[in-house]
Amino acid sequence: QVQLQQWGAGLLKPSETLSLTCAVYNWSLSGYYWNWIRQPPGKGLEWIGQINHSGTTNYNPSLKSRVTISVDTSRNQFSLKLNSVTAADTAVYYCTTGWAYWGQGTLVTVSP
Amino acid sequence: DIQMTQSPSAMSASVGDRVTITCRASQGISNHLAWFQQKPGKVPKRLIYASSSLQSGVPSRFSGSASGTEFTLTISSLQPEDFATYYCLQHNSYPYTFGQGTKLEIK
Repeated sequence: QVQLQQWGAGLLKPSETLSLTCAVYNWSLSGYYWNWIRQPPGKGLEWIGQINHSGTTNYNPSLKSRVTISVDTSRNQFSLKLNSVTAADTAVYYCTTGWAYWGQGTLVTVSP
Repeated sequence: DIQMTQSPSAMSASVGDRVTITCRASQGISNHLAWFQQKPGKVPKRLIYASSSLQSGVPSRFSGSASGTEFTLTISSLQPEDFATYYCLQHNSYPYTFGQGTKLEIK
């Protein structure tokens, strides 16, 4: 059974960089795209971007200037960085693949 | 961007009711459409993939269908555990986009 476990800082100040990592268990990164999704409190889901095992990325244009998704195949992990955060970036962030397998979610709060 | 217009945004229904939720895509997305159920504080759960294929382990009262750019999720007989928020997702074209969600409440 594929398992995704994610972690990262949950409280940031404005202008800091959000950094999250998602580890994949019982599955190889090869052959699939690995996605990041976010959900502001009480709101809907937003696709942030994705990466495959070779490092090919696709980003949401609404966030592209601030987002970097990277992959570490040796550790079977992929990561999200979002710089210059504001209160509008406060959300639960999820990693997911195939849309059937999801990390547990990380609440990231941006507050002065 | 492809807009996914989901309707209704909220609805109330009773146990045993038949419920239909619709997503209309602003352009063609083939069958690259999934449906999710999300309960408060929980991770989204995929119910339907490829517009009409039932995810393993999901009760057969859930079904998906498509007609052109209109996609439908049907729950044939609502059960108490089905009260949740439902989202569609198109993953045909970048950026991938979700519908706004349908909150299904108990009448």
